[in-house]
Amino acid sequence: EAQVTQNPRYLITVTGKKLTVTCSQNMNHEYMSWYRQDPGLGLRQIYYSMNVEVTDKGDVPEGYKVSRKEKRNFPLILESPSPNQTSLYFCASSSGLAGMVAGELFFGEGSRLTVL
Amino acid sequence: GQNIDQPTEMTATEGAIVQINCTYQTSGFNGLFWYQQHAGEAPTFLSYNVLDGLEEKGRFSSFLSRSKGYSYLLLKELQMKDSASYLCAGEGATNKLIFGTGTLLAVQP
Repeated sequence: EAQVTQNPRYLITVTGKKLTVTCSQNMNHEYMSWYRQDPGLGLRQIYYSMNVEVTDKGDVPEGYKVSRKEKRNFPLILESPSPNQTSLYFCASSSGLAGMVAGELFFGEGSRLTVL
Repeated sequence: GQNIDQPTEMTATEGAIVQINCTYQTSGFNGLFWYQQHAGEAPTFLSYNVLDGLEEKGRFSSFLSRSKGYSYLLLKELQMKDSASYLCAGEGATNKLIFGTGTLLAVQP
């Protein structure tokens, strides 16, 4: 089954404790992206990756890191989480054509993070 | 700048037709997407327009006017399960998909 898998789905942590949200897709997609969704603000892009070893900042990258060492995986790292990073996070992937997102974005089920 | 505008909420009756509008401003333009998101779930793809005109897909249709920076999603024969948020998203020339804040549609009996 074609899917994007995120873990953990739910996490409560404390300020400053490093955490990683994993994302894996089995569709051989080149394009992957992380979004956060907050009430009244919609989905905002954190980071994206056009291919292995190619990552770039989205609209709200502060406080986050990513890596793309393999095509299927795109982990999101919060080195020192703060309460303003409490949010619902979505990983997504698409086949993407050169220079374009294009096509359908497939989303993971979301990871609800609370930072106390 | 880049901006996507859509109404915050709409209400419609089961069996009726509803049109959800979206206006956009993007740096360059590579397409306009509509996604559906039920409460507590991930967004799912509904439609993609890159050329002017209407794209029909069953009960859902999406329209695009590039000259006006305008799109709409048309839902026919509304069902209770269509109650969800509908997200308009524009792809500019920078490999980014910019989402609107979504329109929460409530379908009433």
